[in-house]
Amino acid sequence: DGGITQSPKYLFRKEGQNVTLSCEQNLNHDAMYWYRQDPGQGLRLIYYSQIVNDFQKGDIAEGYSVSREKKESFPLTVTSAQKNPTAFYLCASSQADKSYEQYFGPGTRLTVT
Amino acid sequence: GQNIDQPTEMTATEGAIVQINCTYQTSGFNGLFWYQQHAGEAPTFLSYNVLDGLEEKGRFSSFLSRSKGYSYLLLKELQMKDSASYLCAVRDGGSSNTGKLIFGQGTTLQVKP
Repeated sequence: DGGITQSPKYLFRKEGQNVTLSCEQNLNHDAMYWYRQDPGQGLRLIYYSQIVNDFQKGDIAEGYSVSREKKESFPLTVTSAQKNPTAFYLCASSQADKSYEQYFGPGTRLTVT
Repeated sequence: GQNIDQPTEMTATEGAIVQINCTYQTSGFNGLFWYQQHAGEAPTFLSYNVLDGLEEKGRFSSFLSRSKGYSYLLLKELQMKDSASYLCAVRDGGSSNTGKLIFGQGTTLQVKP
């Protein structure tokens, strides 16, 4: 089955700790994205990557970091510099052409206390 | 600036028709997407409009007017399972081929018996 996987579904961390969220896709998509969703709000773009070894900041990149060493993988690190990290994090991928829709993973709900 | 507006909440009756509106103001335009998101789950793709007019797909239809910066999603023969959030997203334009989407805050639809 082709798709996008994110793990774990729920993640709990103490304040001050860095945490890495995984995102893997076997759809052979070139582009991958990380979004953050807060209650009652739409998705906000954190980082995106259109090709291996290249990525760009989205609208709310501060306090986050990413890497794209493999086409299939786009992990997101939430650092201690992120002021309000508790949120629902969604990873997505798509064909590079702008006419194609994005496919979303199941999401990781991160709670930092 | 970039702005996408949708109503926050809507309520409709099972078997009825509901129209969810979306207005947008973006620096560029390369298509408009509608996604469905059930609580705690990933968004799933519903429709894509890049030219003016109506796109029909089963019980769901989506309309676009680029000159008015306006779209709507029409849901017919409502079912209880249609209770979800509906996200409007615009793909920004420009010379870049990036797949970046700008999301509205979503419309939570409640279908009642």
